Amino acid sequence: DIQMTQSPSSMSASLGDRVTITCRASQDIGNYLSWFQQKPGKSPRRMIYGATNLAAGVPSRFSGSRSGSDYSLTISSLESEDMAIYYCLQSIQYPWTFGGGTKLELK
Amino acid sequence: QVQLKESGPVLVQASETLSLTCTVSGFSLTNYGVIWVRQPPGKGLEWMGIIWRNGNTDYNSALKSRLSINRDTSKSQVFLKMNSLQTDDTAIYYCTRAPLDYWGQGVMVTVSS
Repeated sequence: DIQMTQSPSSMSASLGDRVTITCRASQDIGNYLSWFQQKPGKSPRRMIYGATNLAAGVPSRFSGSRSGSDYSLTISSLESEDMAIYYCLQSIQYPWTFGGGTKLELK
Repeated sequence: QVQLKESGPVLVQASETLSLTCTVSGFSLTNYGVIWVRQPPGKGLEWMGIIWRNGNTDYNSALKSRLSINRDTSKSQVFLKMNSLQTDDTAIYYCTRAPLDYWGQGVMVTVSS
């Protein structure tokens, strides 16, 4: 199975900060990488697909990038509504696998 | 608008079979696949399997021997069945439209020993 190593597992940041979360794939996954946001008691919400494409309705402060086997989700200016757990997902090989999650909290 | 809703028992006995239904609206199952994802309490997400728009299925190998996904396109329903349940199958079970752009609210299933 492809392992998705997500870092950090948790972090705190201030409003207006630039925040970056990273997933490293254990094998080549091309751009078959998505990012999801999950708030407490809610279903996950797709934020980024194809590594860099913003999903419909997602604020433009969110962006995705790739450098080799490292994939990043960046929030350019943190807002209070962004506090959540973020997960990456590879969908190139079965079983599709999620990263372990990053809990983003307000400092 | 696109909607998915999971339904099924909230409490299942260990060793029994779990049967869940995902009822969809706003799209056709012949145009989109449906994926099942689960999440144990306080833990991360696990991809379980997918039924593609052509009816083909793919499963997580860790669950493959216990899991089946089927559908009834006329009723816009997708069915998950998983047998030999254990307590670590306790989780929220979500159905989501491929490519994971719309999700159901999830159903919490507790497996009791």
